[in-house]
Amino acid sequence: DQQVKQNSPSLSVQEGRISILNCDYTNSMFDYFLWYKKYPAEGPTFLISISSIKDKNEDGRFTVFLNKSAKHLSLHIVPSQPGDSAVYFCAATPNYGGSQGNLIFGKGTKLSVKP
Amino acid sequence: DAGVTQSPTHLIKTRGQQVTLRCSPKSGHDTVSWYQQALGQGPQFIFQYYEEEERQRGNFPDRFSGHQFPNYSSELNVNALLLGDSALYLCASSLDRGPTDTQYFGPGTRLTVL
Repeated sequence: DQQVKQNSPSLSVQEGRISILNCDYTNSMFDYFLWYKKYPAEGPTFLISISSIKDKNEDGRFTVFLNKSAKHLSLHIVPSQPGDSAVYFCAATPNYGGSQGNLIFGKGTKLSVKP
Repeated sequence: DAGVTQSPTHLIKTRGQQVTLRCSPKSGHDTVSWYQQALGQGPQFIFQYYEEEERQRGNFPDRFSGHQFPNYSSELNVNALLLGDSALYLCASSLDRGPTDTQYFGPGTRLTVL
């Protein structure tokens, strides 16, 4: 059973517009969430994260929103750029009280930003 | 500053063989995690090594084993290869300071089992 779900396999957006990538989770023990992006032939690259004690975290063009009651998070990219075209993975981890535990990943959403 | 490096880049094996994949963590990192990414899936956690010990393990059979060396580099060994072991194997390193420490991924080793 998938604990982290990204229900949209792909998303196409025009350059300059907003990209919204969604992620749902089922395990209420998750309390730290991350977004990674992956280009072909490269490993995933960390993008942004959010702790369960927050509902929003911003870093430049990237903002992550967390709705704990709905067990839903989203990544907003504004404005979208062609270089943002990649596969985006949502990941979650429970807090073991020590180092970051294993990351549970969704299947990814392929974002295409068209010029 | 070198990031996470993995070797080899690609590997082709036949069923029943054994394989060893290698990972060098980012400079200063002491924790190494291994993930398997099958085609069309997200990475799936295999295990994590810290202080040369396996600290956490995902839902993988004992055919998957690992090792961490005093210099923090790590190996992933897979015995009795199956066709289903064909995947991209990713290594991630981090610094053991707390649960929010970011895991940095290497480019992966593409394993094909024929």
